[in-house]
Amino acid sequence: DTGVSQDPRHKITKRGQNVTFRCDPISEHNRLYWYRQTLGQGPEFLTYFQNEAQLEKSRLLSDRFSAERPKGSFSTLEIQRTEQGDSAMYLCASSPTSGGVYEQYFGPGTRLTVT
Amino acid sequence: AQKITQTQPGMFVQEKEAVTLDCTYDTSDPSYGLFWYKQPSSGEMIFLIYQGSYDQQNATEGRYSLNFQKARKSANLVISASQLGDSAMYFCAMRPNSGGYQKVTFGTGTKLQVIP
Repeated sequence: DTGVSQDPRHKITKRGQNVTFRCDPISEHNRLYWYRQTLGQGPEFLTYFQNEAQLEKSRLLSDRFSAERPKGSFSTLEIQRTEQGDSAMYLCASSPTSGGVYEQYFGPGTRLTVT
Repeated sequence: AQKITQTQPGMFVQEKEAVTLDCTYDTSDPSYGLFWYKQPSSGEMIFLIYQGSYDQQNATEGRYSLNFQKARKSANLVISASQLGDSAMYFCAMRPNSGGYQKVTFGTGTKLQVIP
């Protein structure tokens, strides 16, 4: 029974570069979420997929951010023209659609540092 | 709009003692769920316990219990018999249960340190 995995775990990039993160959810979960967490704060919701459909996007997700889940399995989060303010932990989570509680299972996160 | 408030940035507890982590919330949704997550220094968020707004009884899960007081809009986490491995950040969170809307709102967290 594998959990949610994310790749890479750490990414250091220079300002202005593009970065892409990958998330593999728990296989039977069809809901997938992206969050951003900065130091000393709780995770902030970015976006949510049900299967391949992106159903909700936070206003935090500027035009430089794009997320996809092309086949309803893994998802990618791309940040274009990175800025120092993008430095954060990016967390992915997945949840089932049956069982009632629908708790979200989180991956280990990708820590992004923009220099 | 939903809001979660955790007023304790840090807490200390002696090993084997019980500790209560405070959480208050605000929402206009009639039905909602409340969650607690643990985040060790490794960074992964671990689901601990869930309370539905219409649940009649307080949720319990092993050493974790949720003291839910709906009228006061509070959902405090009680950890009994603290262990050294309980040292971590703890986040309270909520989510509306209607309309298929899945956004979860987290508080700012409480850092718990268990002292031997």
